Parts: sequence; C-alpha cells; structure tokens
Amino acid sequence: GENVEQHPSTLSVQEGDSAVIKCTYSDSASNYFPWYKQELGKRPQLIIDIRSNVGEKKDQRIAVTLNKTAKHFSLHITETQPEDSAVYFCAASLGNAGNMLTFGGGTRLMVKP
Amino acid sequence: GAVVSQHPSWVICKSGTSVKIECRSLDFQATTMFWYRQFPKQSLMLMATSNEGSKATYEQGVEKDKFLINHASLTLSTLTVTSAHPEDSSFYICSARDASSTDTQYFGPGTRLTVL
Repeated sequence: GENVEQHPSTLSVQEGDSAVIKCTYSDSASNYFPWYKQELGKRPQLIIDIRSNVGEKKDQRIAVTLNKTAKHFSLHITETQPEDSAVYFCAASLGNAGNMLTFGGGTRLMVKP
Repeated sequence: GAVVSQHPSWVICKSGTSVKIECRSLDFQATTMFWYRQFPKQSLMLMATSNEGSKATYEQGVEKDKFLINHASLTLSTLTVTSAHPEDSSFYICSARDASSTDTQYFGPGTRLTVL
C-alpha cells in the first residue's frame, strides 16, 4: 500500500519567515495530495491540495509543489504568522472510488512572535 | 462550505460498555465516510472506509466486531465501540467525501473517548 513520509516532525520559525514541509510518497499511482492543518483538539482543516496534473498551486501565503518523478511534494508558507502555529499533515490518495487518504506523520509548526 | 458534525464530542464510559459515535454530513451527500483514530501527538490512522448501503472495509489490524460501522444513509455513519476497554481511549475522527467531488474529504470535529 501507499506510504507517506513527512519531514520535519517539528519546525520552529520566526514570525515573517518562510516555512517548508516536505513529504514523499511510495505509490506512483497516487494522484491527489491534500494538506491539512490541525489545531490542538480540533478537526483537520483542508488548506490546499494539488492533483498530479499540475506541478504547483498557490493560494495567498500558501503554496504546494509536486514532483511526480521524485514522488515528493512540499508545502510552503510565506510571511508566517503566530496563527499559523499548528500541526500540518500531508496526505496522498490514489483517487479511486474509495479515495482513501494515507497521511504523513505530521509536522508541528511553531511560529515565534 | 461542506460541514461534517460528530456527536458526542466527548464521552467517558466504564470499561465493558459500548459507545456509539455519530458522523453526519450536514450540507452534502456523502457516499463514502472514513473513520480515523488519532493518539496524542500522532497522525491519523485510518480504521475503516464506510460506504452507504454496504459493509465497511476495515484496515488491517482493526477488529470489525470491536468497531461496528453502519452507514445507513447518505448523511449518517455511526461507529460503535463495543465492550470498550481503557486501551480504546483515543480521539476518533470521521471524514466524509462529497459525492459531487472526486477527492476532497471534510473532517468532523472528533470525539474524545475516555474509558475508565
């Protein structure tokens, strides 16, 4: 089955700096890659996603890049703010009828004011 | 946007009792719902995939007789933890896939189960 690795497990940045979280996946057939943000005790919230037919997607301060050949994708957050502090999860899916998501281990991002 | 609710949000029960958790899609139809378990500071582990009107598909290592899943309608799936034990204490989160969307999953707020 699919295996998703996520790095780093923790990331501390100064407010205003950029943060990058990287994920690799094992199944070349995976074609959908969402990123979720989860605050303590709350539900994961979808923040951005990318499909395998594009290499990059941007939404204001958040961007995701995908390298299908290398089977890795990354989340980029620019001009970080304290409210960006949370745990971020990447995931991969085969995009089949079940659309099962395989999650990475998560990255705890701390933005210092 | 798509909203998924869960009930209850927090439950404490005695060992040996059964607990039912409901997951509802409020403003969309969900042909497929997923149940996850999350331990503190860990990732989401898929327990089972629930399809409306059919039996759930369980992940390896998840006891189907222990975690009963019912998906009776396009907006409701239930997870029943039978004969709960302290090791079943965890955060249980459901997600629902919008039938009109190919991939996007929306998560419920989670249910924190504590078994004494």
